[in-house]
Amino acid sequence: GAVVSQHPSRVICKSGTSVKIECRSLDFQATTMFWYRQFPKKSLMLMATSNEGSKATYEQGVEKDKFLINHASLTLSTLTVTSAHPEDSSFYICSASLGGTGELFFGEGSRLTVL
Amino acid sequence: AQSVSQHNHHVILSEAASLELGCNYSYGGTVNLFWYVQYPGQHLQLLLKYFSGDPLVKGIKGFEAEFIKSKFSFNLRKPSVQWSDTAEYFCAVTVDSSYKLIFGSGTRLLVRP
Repeated sequence: GAVVSQHPSRVICKSGTSVKIECRSLDFQATTMFWYRQFPKKSLMLMATSNEGSKATYEQGVEKDKFLINHASLTLSTLTVTSAHPEDSSFYICSASLGGTGELFFGEGSRLTVL
Repeated sequence: AQSVSQHNHHVILSEAASLELGCNYSYGGTVNLFWYVQYPGQHLQLLLKYFSGDPLVKGIKGFEAEFIKSKFSFNLRKPSVQWSDTAEYFCAVTVDSSYKLIFGSGTRLLVRP
């Protein structure tokens, strides 16, 4: 099956710094990628839809200036958490769609801890 | 707004017991339905999906799910669980051919040997 990889898997940063998380589709091209946030004991919440070559579409309530998404190529999307605060600590997961199959493939997730 | 409900948040079973996890969605239009599984320390992976056709869908590892349109349900079943089925299970839907997945809150399954 198709593989999606995220890096880093874990990151710890100080409050006020910015952190970049990468999401790569390793063996297929993904025109659309999605970024989710998973809260403890809760479901995955869709943050934004990342489209290659265009601006990301953010879900209601997600601050686009805080969570910067860039989808510069067909195999890479990045999520940058700017001026991170402890409340941004969470598990961030990306997924990518494989053409017209309707199936999404998920990355391993990245756990962000902001001190 | 569309939503997905998983009523069982935690389920504990003994090996060989039968499993049924409930999933209901709220949307009156066209839906695609999915069950994903997240094993401890691993990423989400697809168990099975329903797009159209036979409402009884068979997935990997002996899982199956039945789409009952009149009940807006897509319950997951397995006749005999194994210890290795311990994981978190997520029901999800996309609506109107969108790729946007809407997830339920998940069900944590613990299978005791």
